[in-house]
Amino acid sequence: EMQLVESGGGSVQPGGSLRLSCAASGFTTSDHYMGWVRQVPGKGLEWVGRGKNPGHGYTTEYAASVKGRFTISRDDSKNSLYLQMNSLKTEDTAVYYCVREGGYCVNDVCYYYAMDVWGQGTTVTVSS
Amino acid sequence: DIPMTQSPSSLSASVGDRVTITCRATESISNYLNWYQQKPGKAPKLLIYATSSLKSGVPSRFSGSGAGTEFTLTISSLHPEDFATYYCQQNYRTPLTFGQGTKLDI
Repeated sequence: EMQLVESGGGSVQPGGSLRLSCAASGFTTSDHYMGWVRQVPGKGLEWVGRGKNPGHGYTTEYAASVKGRFTISRDDSKNSLYLQMNSLKTEDTAVYYCVREGGYCVNDVCYYYAMDVWGQGTTVTVSS
Repeated sequence: DIPMTQSPSSLSASVGDRVTITCRATESISNYLNWYQQKPGKAPKLLIYATSSLKSGVPSRFSGSGAGTEFTLTISSLHPEDFATYYCQQNYRTPLTFGQGTKLDI
């Protein structure tokens, strides 16, 4: 069974830092794009960023709202993904989901990606 | 950015009803459109990728269609477990963006 388990959430003051971890099982992270999505309780989903796999140069991409403050890294030897969050703001308060972006082929076109495995989420609260 | 807009934002329906949710992009995203289902307190689940391809294990009462800027998710006959919030998401270009969600309830 494919599974993602996040950890590291908690409460932090504005300006502080936090590092989230995501442990994958049932599949090999090096084969996939991996990323983070967040959700303010009662609100919609917001993409945070992604890290591409070795075949795509380990490139990272971020939402504008977190760029320069958040860093995604991965340790494929540990089948794990990380989110280092610095200079945290109150608006970063949310449930953070680790996601796998599976690649799919349709009619011999293989550039379709979708978030096909999700963790259970870890809560980050930024408050003074 | 490519904002995604879903309509309606909420929808009341009954078991057995056929429902359709619309998702619109502000520019063409070809068919790079995914649909997710989220139940309260749970992580979202992928239902449909590439506009109309059903993820393995998803019931066939779910279907997707569209291209370019307008897409639909249709549930042909609602089951009790289908009452949830549905999100569309474009995977055409980063930043990846989601619709605001459509809450489907009784």
